[in-house]
Amino acid sequence: ELKVEQNPLFLSMQEGKNYTIYCNYSTTSDRLYWYRQDPGKSLESLFVLLSNGAVKQEGRLMASLDTKARLSTLHITAAVHDLSATYFCAVDGYGGSQGNLIFGKGTKLSVKP
Amino acid sequence: ETGVTQSPTHLIKTRGQQVTLRCSSQSGHNTVSWYQQALGQGPQFIFQYYREEENGRGNFPPRFSGLQFPNYSSELNVNALELDDSALYLCASSSPAKGAYGYTFGSGTRLTVV
Repeated sequence: ELKVEQNPLFLSMQEGKNYTIYCNYSTTSDRLYWYRQDPGKSLESLFVLLSNGAVKQEGRLMASLDTKARLSTLHITAAVHDLSATYFCAVDGYGGSQGNLIFGKGTKLSVKP
Repeated sequence: ETGVTQSPTHLIKTRGQQVTLRCSSQSGHNTVSWYQQALGQGPQFIFQYYREEENGRGNFPPRFSGLQFPNYSSELNVNALELDDSALYLCASSSPAKGAYGYTFGSGTRLTVV
């Protein structure tokens, strides 16, 4: 069974600090997705990582993918309050079926002044 | 370009009833997937439709069923509602080039079963 594990599940940060969220998955996958979800809202696509060694950055967020280690990281630089949300990573399910994403449980990030 | 739209936004049903949720996919997207997200959890894959055929299913009982129409819009039907069906239901659309652009999610339908 394909599993996606994120840690930490809860993260309380001070503004201006750096931190990393980790996403491990249990089988080979060439694609990894990061999403942001605000309370009561839908999922906003942040990054799509398509190959080993892929690194993408948007503002204070940077995501990377190591397919050999089956590990992706989401690094937060100089956190601000607006980054408070729940962050999910996901991989494509077995068989490469379109739309069959397997999600982690999410990391709830709270950035405090 | 329109995004993914879902209706209704909120719904309250009684245990044992049936419900239909609707999703209009993003322009140019021919694949629709449905997810169930319980409170405090990650989304769980229910099933997907491609060219009006079911093309993959997660670990959900047969009382969860769906349709896709020629315009690629989709419905999720749930029969014999149970209290545990209370969740946010999300649909996502994608195109054959999904690998580069990922999936676009709708705003969801919040279903409460009482």
